[in-house]
Parts: sequence; C-alpha cells; structure tokens
Amino acid sequence: GAGVSQTPSNKVTEKGKYVELRCDPISGHTALYWYRQSLGQGPEFLIYFQGTGAADDSGLPNDRFFAVRPEGSVSTLKIQRTERGDSAVYLCASSSSDSVSDTQYFGPGTRLTVL
Amino acid sequence: SQKIEQNSEALNIQEGKTATLTCNYTNYSPAYLQWYRQDPGRGPVFLLLIRENEKEKRKERLKVTFDTTLKQSLFHITASQPADSATYLCALYTGGFKTIFGAGTRLFVKA
Repeated sequence: GAGVSQTPSNKVTEKGKYVELRCDPISGHTALYWYRQSLGQGPEFLIYFQGTGAADDSGLPNDRFFAVRPEGSVSTLKIQRTERGDSAVYLCASSSSDSVSDTQYFGPGTRLTVL
Repeated sequence: SQKIEQNSEALNIQEGKTATLTCNYTNYSPAYLQWYRQDPGRGPVFLLLIRENEKEKRKERLKVTFDTTLKQSLFHITASQPADSATYLCALYTGGFKTIFGAGTRLFVKA
C-alpha cells in the first residue's frame, strides 16, 4: 500500500512569509509525528498527534510553529513569519497505534529553504 | 546535559566485512533503543528495536547489542554489501511520546 506522503517536496520562501507543509499518513494510522532535520543532524521531535489531538507538542521551538490534524488523518504543519533558521527538512511519520515502541513509518520529507 | 553520540566520521569498509557502528548516550535511561537507516533524500527506515532488559537482538544480517551499564549500543552488519551504504541513526525512547535521535554515522561499503 501507499506509504507516508508529504507535499510539497521542496518549498522556497522568503523570510517573514507563512508556509504550510502537508503530511498524508498511512491509511488507518492513528499516531502521527512531525520532526525537523537539519543538515548533518538526526531528526528532532516537534509534535505528536494521537487521532485529532496533539498529545505532545513539547518539541515545537516557539509559537510561530503550529500543527493541526482536524480529521485524524492528514496533518498540516504551519510556520508563521519564517526565519532563515527554519530552513531544514521537515519529516512526518505515522504508526498504527499509540504505543511509542510501534514502528514509525517516515515520509520523504519537505525541504524548506527560507531566503 | 543529555547527549547521544554516534561517530561523526564516515565508516569505510570492504564488501563482505562486518560493519560495527556505535551509539553512546549520557544522562538518559532509555526504555528502549532503535536503529534506523536513512538514504539521501529519504526519510529514516526502522531496522531494529532493543529493550532495556535485552542484551542482543538479531534480524537477518543485522545484530544490535544494548549495554545499559556502559550506556552504549553497537550495531553490526555482517557480510556487508555496497547496498548497505547509507546513514545509520540510533534513537532513544526515554518517556512520553518523544524519540531522541543521534546525528547518525555514514557507512560506505566498497565493492
């Protein structure tokens, strides 16, 4: 079946603009994670959804970052007033249950470049 | 402070040899540890999970060990192949819903 998909694959924006990044998880997966990965680093946890609710948003760096998952499937990560330091690959992952030890399936990521 | 350390230098080995990658951590008490593979331009792919009460886990040519006293995990690929060339990430789960990743080690297997 289809894996996790993310759109767009690349996004170039100017400092100060607003961006939305989309994640389509594997069908039926209730758990969804967002991570940010900078060059040469491992993924950094941002937020975790179980169903429609954000069960853990402790990784969001500041209030410019916000994520939603209104119907418990597709999720959107929203970044306001983008800064050059926001440039990174944003990864989404989903898993089939709320057990953190369950396998997380990652999407290919969205590469965000803030000029 | 809490840290996960993986060799930042790339590991170059000859095809057929065993590759051994190291993951050291400080100031964590992980309930389990995972290893992922990541290819350029792709998301990480889960390989193995080992729990704190397990010493060793195997899957095909892969073997992971977990020493909670040394605070170290070793990841072995036996009979390595050029297709094993990738970045390998270790990740710790320490509670809540958060997984903490290391920076990864790049492995190059030469034919």
